[in-house]
Amino acid sequence: EAQVTQNPRYLITVTGKKLTVTCSQNMNHEYMSWYRQDPGLGLRQIYYSMNVEVTDKGDVPEGYKVSRKEKRNFPLILESPSPNQTSLYFCASSRRDVQETQYFGPGTRLLVL
Amino acid sequence: DQQVKQNSPSLSVQEGRISILNCDYTNSMFDYFLWYKKYPAEGPTFLISISSIKDKNEDGRFTVFLNKSAKHLSLHIVPSQPGDSAVYFCAALITGTASKLTFGTGTRLQVTL
Repeated sequence: EAQVTQNPRYLITVTGKKLTVTCSQNMNHEYMSWYRQDPGLGLRQIYYSMNVEVTDKGDVPEGYKVSRKEKRNFPLILESPSPNQTSLYFCASSRRDVQETQYFGPGTRLLVL
Repeated sequence: DQQVKQNSPSLSVQEGRISILNCDYTNSMFDYFLWYKKYPAEGPTFLISISSIKDKNEDGRFTVFLNKSAKHLSLHIVPSQPGDSAVYFCAALITGTASKLTFGTGTRLQVTL
């Protein structure tokens, strides 16, 4: 089954404790992206990757890091989480030439205390 | 600066009636528009799209209309069904660039019996 998986689905952590949210896709997609969803703000892009070893900032990259060492994986790293990073996070992937029809993962709900 | 706006955070429609969801955009460079649908605890899924060279695109019960001069698009669902109850996100894209989807804030549609 074609899918995007994220782990963990739910996470409660404390300020400053590094965490990683994993994202994996099995569709051999070149393009991958991370979004956060906040009430009244919709989905905002954090980082995206056009292919392996190629990443770039989205609209709200501050406080986040990403890496793309393999085509299927695109982890999101919060080196020192803060309460304003409490949010619902989505990973997405698509073929490079069809970015409009992105496939989204189920989401990771993060609470930073 | 919200380049894609959905001014109605929620909409309630009776089953069998028409649902009309609206979206406005400010960036005249956008040339491809999409609607995504999101159920609770799931990621958004692609619903329907339209290129700026068209003013209408239909897919079963779903029709998207684009008015470029007004920078406005709408999604019509006819007839509405209870399973259509979800959050709908409008999104826009500049094709041919290493671009990103810019999402609206979402409209929660509730279809009542």
